[in-house]
Amino acid sequence: GAGVSQSPRYKVTKRGQDVALRCDPISGHVSLYWYRQALGQGPEFLTYFNYEAQQDKSGLPNDRFSAERPEGSISTLTIQRTEQRDSAMYRCASSLEETGIEAFFGQGTRLTVV
Amino acid sequence: TQLLEQSPQFLSIQEGENLTVYCNSSSVFSSLQWYRQEPGEGPVLLVTVVTGGEVKKLKRLTFQFGDARKDSSLHITAAQPGDTGLYLCAGAGYGGSQGNLIFGKGTKLSVKP
Repeated sequence: GAGVSQSPRYKVTKRGQDVALRCDPISGHVSLYWYRQALGQGPEFLTYFNYEAQQDKSGLPNDRFSAERPEGSISTLTIQRTEQRDSAMYRCASSLEETGIEAFFGQGTRLTVV
Repeated sequence: TQLLEQSPQFLSIQEGENLTVYCNSSSVFSSLQWYRQEPGEGPVLLVTVVTGGEVKKLKRLTFQFGDARKDSSLHITAAQPGDTGLYLCAGAGYGGSQGNLIFGKGTKLSVKP
């Protein structure tokens, strides 16, 4: 596609429910990153993939968070048993190369846990 | 853990003034990027610096990468209201950490007409 596409743009869920956030990177981009961003702050690293391989998941807050990219393109970030503290903007980015240079961001998914 | 400290956190200036934003770390980065983010949008890449001591200019914006590859600065000349936004620096590590782009907390710039 022309840019990084994330869906849904907004998600409201009840505490305890599972949610799946989707990221469709720019076609041909090797690397895909997930970040969480608080209002007015810089993005906080969660995890990233090169092709289908998850290279680093050190930023995932706990084992309720997981991510996959099975075919090296679309990625899903799953949060199980959501809690109110999970409420945030979740951003996905992709880059053409594996070196992390020039990441292009999507518009994000605003998750609200009530 | 690599950390990037940005300063100042907030900056409010009048149109026509010059300003500098700093990005510092105790870690060495293979490259450093500057992004600008507007409300409701994702960060948009402005520039990538790769070589220690490198200086890049983008119209009224001048970016510098420190000789030791641990710090960077963004200088804006004759700021305009359109420059208002959140400016973010991000560093990439080496080897297996190259894809782990670490972001600073950002500098929120407001340029008043």
